[in-house]
Amino acid sequence: NAGVTQTPKFQVLKTGQSMTLQCAQDMNHNSMYWYRQDPGMGLRLIYYSASEGTTDKGEVPDGYNVSRLKKQNFLLGLESAAPSQTSVYFCASSLTADISTDTQYFGPGTRLTVL
Amino acid sequence: GENVEQHPSTLSVQEGDSAVIKCTYSDSASNYFPWYKQELGKGSQLIIDIRSNVGEKKDQRIAVTLNKTAKHFSLHITETQPEDSAVYFCAGRMEYGNKLVFGAGTILRVKS
Repeated sequence: NAGVTQTPKFQVLKTGQSMTLQCAQDMNHNSMYWYRQDPGMGLRLIYYSASEGTTDKGEVPDGYNVSRLKKQNFLLGLESAAPSQTSVYFCASSLTADISTDTQYFGPGTRLTVL
Repeated sequence: GENVEQHPSTLSVQEGDSAVIKCTYSDSASNYFPWYKQELGKGSQLIIDIRSNVGEKKDQRIAVTLNKTAKHFSLHITETQPEDSAVYFCAGRMEYGNKLVFGAGTILRVKS
């Protein structure tokens, strides 16, 4: 099992460009999450998907969109990148959305720089 | 909403010594507190967790204690080894919305 994989590992964008961060999991998990990690701050939830076909906003959703068309994939889109979106992005998955019973497994992260 | 503060931000210990990282939370309804370890270039891994109905949990060299009255919980690593060097994050589960709120992280360096 590869677990949770993310592509790309690194990306540099210019302000205003768009891109999609990809996340895949092979554990047949129902729930998936996107977090961002900034210096001096903990992981902050951007969006999550409790199950295939459903998505909900997290703590910091502005400027992002997501797509969960397949159970194993969760895509994070930036329509018009801004320097404030420079961060490390982590995807995670769990068997169900009950975080007190089901462990979240994290991917290795995508380091995004917006110039 | 829930706020989780984590201290210290960096911690250096000599191999074999103990390391303690402390987190405080604001939402008294929080009932689940996991700890994650993040190694360089890797995603975070759950290393131990505790629920609000217990005061302490141990797993080999790692233990977590919870003080609900004071609203703080701590990670204790005994007999530290160089491979314990990593960034450690605490988190609390928000009662509303079933979400995790993370602390800012502690960089632990174990010097051999």
